[in-house]
Amino acid sequence: EAQVTQNPRYLITVTGKKLTVTCSQNMNHEYMSWYRQDPGLGLRQIYYSMNVEVTDKGDVPEGYKVSRKEKRNFPLILESPSPNQTSLYFCASSFGFRGGNTEAFFGQGTRLTVV
Amino acid sequence: EDQVTQSPEALRLQEGESSSLNCSYTVSGLRGLFWYRQDPGKGPEFLFTLYSAGEEKEKERLKATLTKKESFLHITAPKPEDSATYLCAVQARGAQKLVFGQGTRLTINP
Repeated sequence: EAQVTQNPRYLITVTGKKLTVTCSQNMNHEYMSWYRQDPGLGLRQIYYSMNVEVTDKGDVPEGYKVSRKEKRNFPLILESPSPNQTSLYFCASSFGFRGGNTEAFFGQGTRLTVV
Repeated sequence: EDQVTQSPEALRLQEGESSSLNCSYTVSGLRGLFWYRQDPGKGPEFLFTLYSAGEEKEKERLKATLTKKESFLHITAPKPEDSATYLCAVQARGAQKLVFGQGTRLTINP
């Protein structure tokens, strides 16, 4: 089954404690990205990757890091989480936006609470 | 700056009562407009992609249309299982991201 898998689904952590949210896709997609979803603000892109070792900032990258060492994985790293990073996070993947099928597939989400 | 505005924010309908959701957009050259469905606690699920004005796509009780300034998601004879938040997003030419609207929360009462 084609899917994007995020882990964990729920996470409560304390300010300053480094954490990683994993994302893996099994569709051989080149393009992967991370979004956060907040009430009243909608989905906003954090970082994206067009291929292995190619990453770039989205609209709200402050406080986050990413890496793309393998095509299927795109972890999101919070080096020193703060309460304003409490949010619902989604990983998405697609074949890219150069043409053809461009629809993005989303993971189930990670609800992060930073206290 | 690319922007997407969806209306209404919330819509409550009776089962079988048809209606439309609106997505107005401003973008520096449209590459594609996307509709997604999102159920509570889940990730967005892809519905449609529209690429040019005049294009229409259908799936079961849903039909999406596109003009140069807006898109409509028409829901015909909806059922309670159509209850969800519907998200609209645009991709500008040359851009590597989707810009989302805030969604329309649709509730269909039996």
